[in-house]
Amino acid sequence: NAGVTQTPKFQVLKTGQSMTLQCAQDMNHEYMSWYRQDPGMGLRLIHYSVGAGITDQGEVPNGYNVSRSTTEDFPLRLLSAAPSQTSVYFCASSSRRGGTEAFFGQGTRLTVV
Amino acid sequence: DAKTTQPTSMDCAEGRAANLPCNHSTISGNEYVYWYRQIHSQGPQYIIHGLKNNETNEMASLIITEDRKSSTLILPHATLRDTAVYYCIVRGTYNTDKLIFGTGTRLQVFP
Repeated sequence: NAGVTQTPKFQVLKTGQSMTLQCAQDMNHEYMSWYRQDPGMGLRLIHYSVGAGITDQGEVPNGYNVSRSTTEDFPLRLLSAAPSQTSVYFCASSSRRGGTEAFFGQGTRLTVV
Repeated sequence: DAKTTQPTSMDCAEGRAANLPCNHSTISGNEYVYWYRQIHSQGPQYIIHGLKNNETNEMASLIITEDRKSSTLILPHATLRDTAVYYCIVRGTYNTDKLIFGTGTRLQVFP
């Protein structure tokens, strides 16, 4: 059981470049979400999805796009990377059923130069 | 989304119980209390959750007050590996609610 898999683990981008952070889960979870964590800070919600075809904005959505075409995958797109997007990104998934835990990936460490 | 309040940091001697408090005075009746921890920069790890009753698992115990406005996570015998940031989160019944992290409590376990 792989759980939540994020790729890549590390990435360096130049300002203005675009890229997609991948997140996949094999637990058939309806709810998936993306967070960013800046040094010394807590996790901040970027975007989330409650099912295939449904996405919504979190606390810090600007500069990021998401889509959810399948239950398993929830990619995060940076359209034009900026140094302010240097951060560690975490993907999470959970069942829609109440009282169940969320599972987190191990993170993608992104540096924008 | 209910807000939670936690102390910024705490210390605990190895082998002693670590008691981490959380205030969630605006919690509603259908919201669960969850605890996660994050060691270094790893992904957050689930610890325990509860609705009304006290809960215990192999990692910790969760004590929720009768009015549900606060809770305490108890690590019965803290080890150095328990040094981490601990997050208390409230979330609704159907998990369609946003999972919002606060700033958490940084627990330092010392020898």
